[in-house]
Amino acid sequence: NAGVTQTPKFQVLKTGQSMTLQCAQDMNHEYMSWYRQDPGMGLRLIHYSVGAGITDQGEVPNGYNVSRSTTEDFPLRLLSAAPSQTSVYFCASSFSTRDTQYFGPGTRLTVL
Amino acid sequence: TQLLEQSPQFLSIQEGENLTVYCNSSSVFSSLQWYRQEPGEGPVLLVTVVTGGEVKKLKRLTFQFGDARKDSSLHITAAQPGDTGLYLCAGRFTGYSTLTFGKGTMLLVSP
Repeated sequence: NAGVTQTPKFQVLKTGQSMTLQCAQDMNHEYMSWYRQDPGMGLRLIHYSVGAGITDQGEVPNGYNVSRSTTEDFPLRLLSAAPSQTSVYFCASSFSTRDTQYFGPGTRLTVL
Repeated sequence: TQLLEQSPQFLSIQEGENLTVYCNSSSVFSSLQWYRQEPGEGPVLLVTVVTGGEVKKLKRLTFQFGDARKDSSLHITAAQPGDTGLYLCAGRFTGYSTLTFGKGTMLLVSP
C-alpha cells in the first residue's frame, strides 16, 4: 500500500493563477480531509469529505474548492491564488471521522 | 470556534532531561490525540485518549487525559536526540466530528 500520496511536493504560483493539489489514498478510507500548516498556527482544517459525493467546509475554506467523485481521490483546487495561501498543505484519510488519520507527506506551496 | 491551547511553544533541552507538554481547553473533548511531526513529513499519530483520567505509556512517553476531559499532557522521560520534532495535540470536541489542532510544541534535544 502506498498510503496517502500527494502531488506535487513543491509548487510556486503567481498571484491569480489556478492549480489543483492532488491527494489519493489506497486504503479504502471513507473520510478524507485537507489541512494547511503555517508557522506557529498548527494545522487548520480547510475542507473534508465523509464519503464520495459528500464534502463540507472546515475552519478556513475561503479560496479553496474540493470535490470527491471517487473514494480514492480528494483534490484541492485554488481558483485564484493569493499570497495568503502560501503554506504547507496536508491531506489525511481515515476509515471514519473517529479513526486514526493518516497524513500524506505534504505540498509546499508558495504564491508570489 | 473551539480553542485548544498548547504549551510551551518551544523547548530546547539536553539529552537525558525530562519534559512535559500541555494541551488544554475550556471545552470538553470527546477524545484527544497526540501527534509527532518531523521536518518535511506529515504528522504521525502517537496516541489517542478518550476516558477522563486515562494514562497511556509509549516507551519513554507518558500521556495523561484530565479527569474533566478538558486537558492533557505529554511527559517524556530521559529525552533523546531522536525525540526532536514537532509535537501536536488534536482534540475532538463533544458534538463535533472534526479535529482541532493545537499550535504545536517544537522540541529540540541536544546531545
